[in-house]
Amino acid sequence: GAVVSQHPSWVICKSGTSVKIECRSLDFQATTMFWYRQFPKQSLMLMATSNEGSKATYEQGVEKDKFLINHASLTLSTLTVTSAHPEDSSFYICSAQRGRGPGFFGPGTRLTVL
Amino acid sequence: EDKVVQSPLSLVVHEGDTVTLNCSYEVTNFRSLLWYKQEKKAPTFLFMLTSSGIEKKSGRLSSILDKKELFSILNITATQTGDSAVYLCAVELNYGGSQGNLIFGKGTKLSVKP
Repeated sequence: GAVVSQHPSWVICKSGTSVKIECRSLDFQATTMFWYRQFPKQSLMLMATSNEGSKATYEQGVEKDKFLINHASLTLSTLTVTSAHPEDSSFYICSAQRGRGPGFFGPGTRLTVL
Repeated sequence: EDKVVQSPLSLVVHEGDTVTLNCSYEVTNFRSLLWYKQEKKAPTFLFMLTSSGIEKKSGRLSSILDKKELFSILNITATQTGDSAVYLCAVELNYGGSQGNLIFGKGTKLSVKP
């Protein structure tokens, strides 16, 4: 159990376009989903926390108008990178948590903006 | 400022060796401490620790938490080449009873040579 999927696995896009990344908990209902970003050789940095049906809470320094998060249901959260630029190129990972248990990570999405 | 510090940052050992990875933390509202193993993609969950002095064990891996001295260790005995990975320590914060978020350390890169 506790499987989390992300789609797509990798995406290459042109500067100025928007990219949507989906995170799904496949076999459990996630009360909370977290979005992280990881740059090469660095640790995971939390971007935002989202609870189903409410607005996401963004970490300091993360632009909420640029990184749109929609937590539509207990099994699906989406992160949309709007007007992506090369500096947004990174590895984006979601984590889904049920109750007070540990978060389970999706396999991540590699975003490359040309 | 909440922080999680792992040491060493990098470690090279030979198969069969025993290693100890360290994680210390300074946070305002501790809920739990988690260990993850990250190979090529997203981290996989190893242990979740909430109480001091209780060792958690899974095969050759074990971990313990000291909430008085604010640290945790992850032990790996009889290391194998498959243990080569980055080991991440994360502290989950407790935000007023709602779901917390994770603050990650930079990780310890373990390389096990045959």
